Amino acid sequence: EAGVVQSPRYKIIEKKQPVAFWCNPISGHNTLYWYRQNLGQGPELLIRYENEEAVDDSQLPKDRFSAERLKGVDSTLKIQPAELGDSAVYLCASSSRYGENSYEQYFGPGTRLTVT
Amino acid sequence: AQKVTQAQTEISVVEKEDVTLDCVYETRDTTYYLFWYKQPPSGELVFLIRRNSFDEQNEISGRYSWNFQKSTSSFNFTITASQVVDSAVYFCALSPAGTASKLTFGTGTRLQVTL
Repeated sequence: EAGVVQSPRYKIIEKKQPVAFWCNPISGHNTLYWYRQNLGQGPELLIRYENEEAVDDSQLPKDRFSAERLKGVDSTLKIQPAELGDSAVYLCASSSRYGENSYEQYFGPGTRLTVT
Repeated sequence: AQKVTQAQTEISVVEKEDVTLDCVYETRDTTYYLFWYKQPPSGELVFLIRRNSFDEQNEISGRYSWNFQKSTSSFNFTITASQVVDSAVYFCALSPAGTASKLTFGTGTRLQVTL
């Protein structure tokens, strides 16, 4: 079974530029999460989707961050414009409500963003 | 509010030594889940264990064991006979029971195992 796929793995941009990250969750997983992990810290949830609906976006900085999961499968997280403080690893995870491993979150490898 | 504290920032051990990673948590929920994840240099978080708050039995899986003590709000992780491949950052996490969807992570403990 394929895991959570993220691209790109690395991205370097100048401040004020836009950037987008893509995530394809494990097939059949209805819940998708975006996390941000700053250096030396644990991941922090940005947004959670149940199918195509964003059910928890309380930690998403909505002035510059946006996300979508139009068909309830893959998802895109966008930053526009990027700031120096946005440099971090952006992790995508997915989980399913069903089965033996219900609600366990499976993480992708992340996208390491550097804003210069 | 939920909080997870991993006081050990970095631990170095020599291969074959036993090592314990500490985790202390705070929550007002009466039922909750506790987790441990491993993050190797590749960056991907790997699930190790989930423990429900009403199940205080300790668990052993190969060289890994977990000690859950509700009285002290701790969920410690021990690696027996450590190996170089155990080198990684280990995160403890907490979520409300029910959906396990709102994970609160600690700051992680970097474990370095050398020959």
